[in-house]
Amino acid sequence: DTEVTQTPKHLVMGMTNKKSLKCEQHMGHRAMYWYKQKAKKPPELMFVYSYEKLSINESVPSRFSPECPNSSLLNLHLHALQPEDSALYLCASSRAADRSSNTIYFGEGSWLTVV
Amino acid sequence: AQKVTQAQTEISVVEKEDVTLDCVYETRDTTYYLFWYKQPPSGELVFLIRRNSFDEQNEISGRYSWNFQKSTSSFNFTITASQVVDSAVYFCALTSGGGADGLTFGKGTHLIIQP
Repeated sequence: DTEVTQTPKHLVMGMTNKKSLKCEQHMGHRAMYWYKQKAKKPPELMFVYSYEKLSINESVPSRFSPECPNSSLLNLHLHALQPEDSALYLCASSRAADRSSNTIYFGEGSWLTVV
Repeated sequence: AQKVTQAQTEISVVEKEDVTLDCVYETRDTTYYLFWYKQPPSGELVFLIRRNSFDEQNEISGRYSWNFQKSTSSFNFTITASQVVDSAVYFCALTSGGGADGLTFGKGTHLIIQP
């Protein structure tokens, strides 16, 4: 079983809604990530948090707003999304974001559908 | 720039056959890390193995084995005596900047094991 927990597993939202995806890990990891995965494509990096600070934003539209309240939690706030934002959103964590030897562990993902 | 190529889009074999998934990578860094992940239909990316650029030893774990060859920039994955539960999409990934840069994924190979 994964030690990275994501909620909700499935989310359907309208284009005017505001919703959030949540991620939690209790492995003592200090780096957390959001990836987006479209059908039949590999995951694409969106954001990296290192020691609770945003270190990478891969030019993600502002309708996606990440938040890291503490070292165990990572949120992705969603507002005014488009149907093309429908995808699997994967949260991940690793010991730290500054060492190549770290393994990145993924959660089960949140399936998002924008209608 | 880094690149991972998984030329096999889909492989279908009958249960108990051996199958090899190919992965070829490109990087200018001398220190880098290679990974294999399994993604079943549920969506979770399951970590299988990490190999660093200094360690060319092959590895075996049960029915799984990995062949890392720097001379050909390849990191191939073999499943011996395949089982239906092995059916999934398998991703090869590369990082040289640690989690700080995220993972560069190949496009994935969809493995179908028929009973």
